[in-house]
Amino acid sequence: QKEVEQNSGPLSVPEGAIASLNCTYSDRGSQSFFWYRQYSGKSPELIMFIYSNGDKEDGRFTAQLNKASQYVSLLIRDSQPSDSATYLCAVVSYNQGGKLIFGQGTELSVKP
Amino acid sequence: EPEVTQTPSHQVTQMGQEVILRCVPISNHLYFYWYRQILGQKVEFLVSFYNNEISEKSEIFDDQFSVERPDGSNFTLKIRSTKLEDSAMYFCVSSESQLDGYTFGSGTRLTVV
Repeated sequence: QKEVEQNSGPLSVPEGAIASLNCTYSDRGSQSFFWYRQYSGKSPELIMFIYSNGDKEDGRFTAQLNKASQYVSLLIRDSQPSDSATYLCAVVSYNQGGKLIFGQGTELSVKP
Repeated sequence: EPEVTQTPSHQVTQMGQEVILRCVPISNHLYFYWYRQILGQKVEFLVSFYNNEISEKSEIFDDQFSVERPDGSNFTLKIRSTKLEDSAMYFCVSSESQLDGYTFGSGTRLTVV
């Protein structure tokens, strides 16, 4: 089983700061990369996905992908207390049947 | 926005009993998955289903587990004889393609006592 690794945290940032969440993956055949947000006791909610090297921006969120380094990150600008949650990185590889493979998640705490 | 619907939201069952978890995927989606998440742990793949058959299953998905899509809409996960370690959140996921659009249901919390 190919792995997806994230720091479990908690990552604590002050309100209004930039939160940076990181993820590495081991399967070079990975093709799609996803960031989900999960509040305690709830199901994962898709924030954004990225396929191509570089940056992809959606509102306060920016996903960054570097396939050569097998690294994907999520930046959250102007962090709000409501952003406090666990952020899950997931990858899809056709070599592994097209299923989502998840990291263990990073807990983010945004302090007012 | 289309949703993946799961029922029940919470099920408590005695060890050794059979449970059926139900899911209604998004109507035009073609790929269906079950995942589980034990409290405090990562989301784990159980099984994928495409074209009315299992396309892949994990080591967790042993003979106690089965899936079916009996009527073209509902997608069910059956656990034949539940064990304490089956206690977890179970998520149904559907997607239109294998590129994007993986949508999670709200989950079923299964508690085996």
